[in-house]
Amino acid sequence: DAKTTQPTSMDCAEGRAANLPCNHSTISGNEYVYWYRQIHSQGPQYIIHGLKNNETNEMASLIITEDRKSSTLILPHATLRDTAVYYCIVRVAGDSWGKLQFGAGTQVVVTP
Amino acid sequence: DAGVTQSPTHLIKTRGQQVTLRCSPKSGHDTVSWYQQALGQGPQFIFQYYEEEERQRGNFPDRFSGHQFPNYSSELNVNALLLGDSALYLCASSLLDTTEAFFGQGTRLTVV
Repeated sequence: DAKTTQPTSMDCAEGRAANLPCNHSTISGNEYVYWYRQIHSQGPQYIIHGLKNNETNEMASLIITEDRKSSTLILPHATLRDTAVYYCIVRVAGDSWGKLQFGAGTQVVVTP
Repeated sequence: DAGVTQSPTHLIKTRGQQVTLRCSPKSGHDTVSWYQQALGQGPQFIFQYYEEEERQRGNFPDRFSGHQFPNYSSELNVNALLLGDSALYLCASSLLDTTEAFFGQGTRLTVV
């Protein structure tokens, strides 16, 4: 079973920030939080990951709560091309990158 | 730099037949993982190959088998196809456990 809980779907207006929540209340101290997204008819794409500090890259920001039981992926200025299914995944440090445990994800629809 | 490439992109097979799907990893990657994604669900891990051997396996029957070649490319074989094997089959590559997994576009298999 997936170790994360995400909303099934959410809408976002183009140009606005999209905040995607993820609950991982049973996360262990050595588990990272990863985010992937899957645009329709494509393979999943890595976005960002973090352990306990907030992280930012050219695609998004990841905010992890102090108790690490939840996190939020932030797309700062959503575009139509950000419409996709977003997956929040926890992975033990040192575990194989190839063996990722996907849940159902959040379907994000960005509207004009 | 070519990413992960999979062939064919689409395939239709008859129940009971056998199928072979192919994957070429991203340049410099040595580890290949295979996933099955049913419609509306997240990808499910099938197995992973490294140094031409199966390294990890998910909860899939022995009808699912694979192979990795010296050039790191990989094949997924499914015997005695069932209607329930209809899915998008994804290949992901990584440099063992040191880089994030990069996914291909997938092969859409339809069993009729």
